[in-house]
Amino acid sequence: GAVVSQHPSRVICKSGTSVKIECRSLDFQATTMFWYRQFPKQSLMLMATSNEGSKATYEQGVEKDKFLINHASLTLSTLTVTSAHPEDSSFYICSARDPRQGAGEQYFGPGTRLTVT
Amino acid sequence: QQQVKQSPQSLIVQKGGISIINCAYENTAFDYFPWYQQFPGKGPALLIAIRPDVSEKKEGRFTISFNKSAKQFSLHIMDSQPGDSATYFCAASMGNDMRFGAGTRLTVKP
Repeated sequence: GAVVSQHPSRVICKSGTSVKIECRSLDFQATTMFWYRQFPKQSLMLMATSNEGSKATYEQGVEKDKFLINHASLTLSTLTVTSAHPEDSSFYICSARDPRQGAGEQYFGPGTRLTVT
Repeated sequence: QQQVKQSPQSLIVQKGGISIINCAYENTAFDYFPWYQQFPGKGPALLIAIRPDVSEKKEGRFTISFNKSAKQFSLHIMDSQPGDSATYFCAASMGNDMRFGAGTRLTVKP
């Protein structure tokens, strides 16, 4: 199956700093990638959808200036949490669509645990 | 607005038993219904998925039953094992729009 990686798996940063999370599709080219956020014992909440070479589409309530998404290539999307605060601490998960598969299928990365102190 | 409702919230099953998780959706435009398995600290992994043109799909011990008229679908795990203990999410999607259920925490007791 399609493989998606994320880096780093865990990151701790101080309040006010920025942190970048990378999402890569390893064995396919992903024209569309997605970023989700998951709080403990809760479901996945879509933050934004990014298409290669164009601006990301953010879900209602997600601050686009705080969560910067770049999808500069067909295998890499990045999420930068700017001026992080403790309430941004969460599990961030990316996913990607493999255009070789049927419509709708998404393959998820292993997630990144962000802790803001 | 919650577009996919999942139940139960938690489930405890004895080893060898059948685990059943149910989901209901509202938007008839959804055309892809996957189930994901998630272990603590890991990303969700696609378990099995179905499209609305079939009523059942089986892969090993996992079966999806799909009722288009009732807008419901369910996951059955036969011969449940302790290693199946995880959180399971149903989802419904159309194009790039995928909506998740709230999740079911399954515990299989040895």
